[in-house]
Amino acid sequence: SQQGEEDPQALSIQEGENATMNCSYKTSINNLQWYRQNSGRGLVHLILIRSNEREKHSGRLRVTLDTSKKSSSLLITASRAADTASYFCATEGSSGGYQKVTFGTGTKLQVIP
Amino acid sequence: KAGVTQTPRYLIKTRGQQVTLSCSPISGHRSVSWYQQTPGQGLQFLFEYFSETQRNKGNFPGRFSGRQFSNSRSEMNVSTLELGDSALYLCASREGGSPLHFGNGTRLTVT
Repeated sequence: SQQGEEDPQALSIQEGENATMNCSYKTSINNLQWYRQNSGRGLVHLILIRSNEREKHSGRLRVTLDTSKKSSSLLITASRAADTASYFCATEGSSGGYQKVTFGTGTKLQVIP
Repeated sequence: KAGVTQTPRYLIKTRGQQVTLSCSPISGHRSVSWYQQTPGQGLQFLFEYFSETQRNKGNFPGRFSGRQFSNSRSEMNVSTLELGDSALYLCASREGGSPLHFGNGTRLTVT
């Protein structure tokens, strides 16, 4: 079962524009992570935000977390054609005494040159 | 350090057969997780192994099994393959609370 649901499912923007993706989840978490996947490849970790943090930046990425609404957003500023990929949020929380990472459904981003 | 290595990269099997996929984690990583990725279901958690012990399991039938060796390498096995098992199988390793490091996956096609 999916912990996170992302929207939009697909997003198409022009190079230079900003891209915003949203993620909602259901249960309490220790942290939330964002990953990127190029077609047919493995996922690459982008950024991690802990449950006691509200905002985090890394280069052109900005992530926010609202634990009261159980939601997060990923903003990619000044997008480039190379940003074209699928983006997934993943929540980490306790399961059976251990930490488990569960992924959302993903947002497919297309950046048009 | 070398990344996570998954073999084989592509696999074609027939319904009813069984298959074994292999994953070599990053050196020093003791946790290995497996995920199934399909267009309809997204990334579904299969199981996680740590120091040769399974410590988390997803909601998959018993046909899906795995194991981990003393060198942290992991294998997953799917018996009595069904058409619906066609997917990209991803392995990820980590150590401590670090993020997951993924391999490029094994693309399994069941005909």
